[in-house]
Amino acid sequence: DVKVTQSSRYLVKRTGEKVFLECVQDMDHENMFWYRQDPGLGLRLIYFSYDVKMKEKGDIPEGYSVSREKKERFSLILESASTNQTSMYLCASSLELMGGEVLDEQFFGPGTRLTVL
Amino acid sequence: GENVEQHPSTLSVQEGDSAVIKCTYSDSASNYFPWYKQELGKRPQLIIDIRSNVGEKKDQRIAVTLNKTAKHFSLHITETQPEDSAVYFCAATSADSNYQLIWGAGTKLIIKP
Repeated sequence: DVKVTQSSRYLVKRTGEKVFLECVQDMDHENMFWYRQDPGLGLRLIYFSYDVKMKEKGDIPEGYSVSREKKERFSLILESASTNQTSMYLCASSLELMGGEVLDEQFFGPGTRLTVL
Repeated sequence: GENVEQHPSTLSVQEGDSAVIKCTYSDSASNYFPWYKQELGKRPQLIIDIRSNVGEKKDQRIAVTLNKTAKHFSLHITETQPEDSAVYFCAATSADSNYQLIWGAGTKLIIKP
């Protein structure tokens, strides 16, 4: 079974703090993703990575950055947390991007519920 | 870019009845359409997917249909059971967005006993 883990289930931070969310997958997947989930808005892609040290912006990258130094780990960084970044953050991974298409199932982590005060 | 609309936002059905959730997409080049189920407090999980070269796919009580001309696809659940209660998300690939998934807003399915 694919296992995707996230460093925290719940996190409370103050406005202006730097926040690190960690995601680790154990199935040697090439692709990794960070989403935020808000009621009525579905899942919105923040950033994704298809290889070590590679990253691509998703739909809502503003205020976020990412790091992928090792294949199994993908970190999401909030440089200066703001209250509008209070949300559920979901990490996911999938097999190799083939021919420019995402062909395979995305496996999700349990999520981190971040509250910024 | 791609836009995926999902309806209804909430669906309540009697146990044993069928449920249908519909999604429309805007990018005619989209070619992969998965459906994910998210139970309360849990992570989303893929339940069924369909590619643009087929019109229908079934897996036990679950089926997905795709109408490429009209650019819509639907999830059908027959003989609903209490464990079907969850939020269901549709998604579509988008050529404009590097073939990443664009997600619908979700449908909360409630199964009434």
